[in-house]
Formats: sequence, C-alpha cells, structure tokens
Amino acid sequence: QSALTQPASVSGSPGQSITISCTGTSSDFGLFNYISWYQVHPGKAPKLLIFEVSDRPSGISDRFSGSKSGNTASLTISGLQGEDEADYYCSSYTSAKSCVFGGGTRLTVL
Amino acid sequence: VQLVQSGAEVKKPGESLKISCKASGYDFTSFWIAWVRQRPGKGLEWMGIIYPSDSEITYSPSFQRHVTISVDKSITSAYLQWTSLEASDTAIYYCAKSRRFRAVAGDFDFWGQGTLVTVSS
Repeated sequence: QSALTQPASVSGSPGQSITISCTGTSSDFGLFNYISWYQVHPGKAPKLLIFEVSDRPSGISDRFSGSKSGNTASLTISGLQGEDEADYYCSSYTSAKSCVFGGGTRLTVL
Repeated sequence: VQLVQSGAEVKKPGESLKISCKASGYDFTSFWIAWVRQRPGKGLEWMGIIYPSDSEITYSPSFQRHVTISVDKSITSAYLQWTSLEASDTAIYYCAKSRRFRAVAGDFDFWGQGTLVTVSS
C-alpha cells in the first residue's frame, strides 16, 4: 500500500487556523471512517489527536478538529500556538487489520 | 498505561535482533499492539499488528518477509525481531496500543518511547 498523500509542509502565524489534507483512494480508506491523526514532536513518540475522522481523545484540545469529504480527510488546527509546531500524520484503517500512514506534514508556526 | 521499550541497539549487517515493548496498566490481552517504523528524517510506516490474546498477526506487505512480531502474555511484552539486519533497517521503532477494545481501527492511543536501531558495518 502506498502512503496517503499529505502536503510536505504548511505554515501559519500564531492565532491563525491551518488545515492539513490527507488524500487516498477508496481502497486506502476502506469501508470505514477510521481516519486518525497524530502529532509528532522531534524526538518524541506520536500522540493521537483525532480518531474516527473527527473524534478527540480525552485531553486533546478542541483547537484540533477533523473532517472527511470523499477520499480526502482534513485536520484543522485553530488558534495556532507555538507548541503546535510539529509533524502531523494521518492514518487510515484499510481492511483486514491493516493500516497505512500519510507521508507526514511539517507545520511551521511563523 | 505504559509501554516501555528496550534500549538503543547498534548492530552489524547480517546480525539478528529482538527488541521488546513491555506493557502495563491495562488488560494486555484485550488490545492489539502495532509496530511502527520511522527512518531518519522520514515518515511513519505501519509494520504490522498483533493481538496478544491469541497471537493473531497481520503484517504490512512491505515488512512481512523481513520481520517477525510476537508476544509473551506471561510478561505482557511484545517483540519485533530480525534474523538478518540490513543497513536500511536503521530507524526508530515504536510499539503502540490500539485504542479499541479487542478491535483495530488504526487509532493507537499509547505509544512506547521508541527504540533506535542502528545497523552499520
């Protein structure tokens, strides 16, 4: 399976909103809305931000939101903060206990 | 919940290696555990997943012939093993716990700290 397609980089100023897209095929996304998003700071383990397209785990700020339209999922971060500067990855459950990650997006807070 | 991985390794090409992921704080046998690779400067790659209760495993086709995933329920640990390492295996390897009880949906809520494996002659 090829990785899901994400932009290599996005940037925004503090307080602004940014959106990161994640595009795949219908087989990448399977029959389920099992799209997740992870935040990865340098030298740290990934952190689950969003699951099932738009749900947030306990403790995750509501500045992070997810959506999906057709074969494109999106992560929106509102009210950008310096601590949001990190790499972001989407992932999808495809089928038969298999998953695939996106190529990752580097977020720079200007 | 904690996933604590074994320490960094430096190996030569052709050598074997087994790294571990010790789980605690939850019902180990009821949540799938995945392994994820991150090569230097590269993105996350899903390697495979195992269900500790019965050791059911699914591998990514990209990794199926090169690694072995296993568990030891008695000590709530998962393992990732190579019989013959290559330089291209140099990476950080993460274990991660599935968020869903007895199911997989691609969402992993707890991660190990990562194990750096360096393969160099």
